[in-house]
Amino acid sequence: DQQVKQNSPSLSVQEGRISILNCDYTNSMFDYFLWYKKYPAEGPTFLISISSIKDKNEDGRFTVFLNKSAKHLSLHIVPSQPGDSAVYFCAASLHSGGGADGLTFGKGTHLIIQP
Amino acid sequence: DGGITQSPKYLFRKEGQNVTLSCEQNLNHDAMYWYRQDPGQGLRLIYYSQIVNDFQKGDIAEGYSVSREKKESFPLTVTSAQKNPTAFYLCASSMSGGGYGYTFGSGTRLTVV
Repeated sequence: DQQVKQNSPSLSVQEGRISILNCDYTNSMFDYFLWYKKYPAEGPTFLISISSIKDKNEDGRFTVFLNKSAKHLSLHIVPSQPGDSAVYFCAASLHSGGGADGLTFGKGTHLIIQP
Repeated sequence: DGGITQSPKYLFRKEGQNVTLSCEQNLNHDAMYWYRQDPGQGLRLIYYSQIVNDFQKGDIAEGYSVSREKKESFPLTVTSAQKNPTAFYLCASSMSGGGYGYTFGSGTRLTVV
């Protein structure tokens, strides 16, 4: 049973526009959420995170929104740039409860920025 | 610089052979993890270790083995029992519990020929 779901395997956005990547989760005990970015043949790198006590976190062009009642989070990238083309993984954790196996990942969304 | 190193970057193996992938970290992290990435499958957990001399099976441990004799090292052996070993393998480490996020290595691409 997948506890973290990214329902869009791919997303194509024009350069300069806003990219919105979505993530849903089923476990209401998750209290910390992260986004990772991954280029082909490289390891994922941390992008941005949000605690469940917040509903928004912003870092430059990247903003993550959390809607706890809907068990939904989204990553906004604005403006989108060619270097943003990558696979984005959503991840969740039970950090306050010390989840034994750390993070639970979604399957990823491949973002393609069109020139 | 602190980081996590995986070697080799590319690895070729003949069917029926065991092969060991290296993962070393100098971040003083307690926990280490092995993931496998296949197209459309995301990141699937193979094994993880929260402390030296202890490790736990993840979701797809069959055909793999690990050891954690040192805090810095968490090698993964892909055995001949693994039916479909061709994949991209990622090692990660974190502070205890991992809830605040991982640091990933750059990955090893294993191809069975």
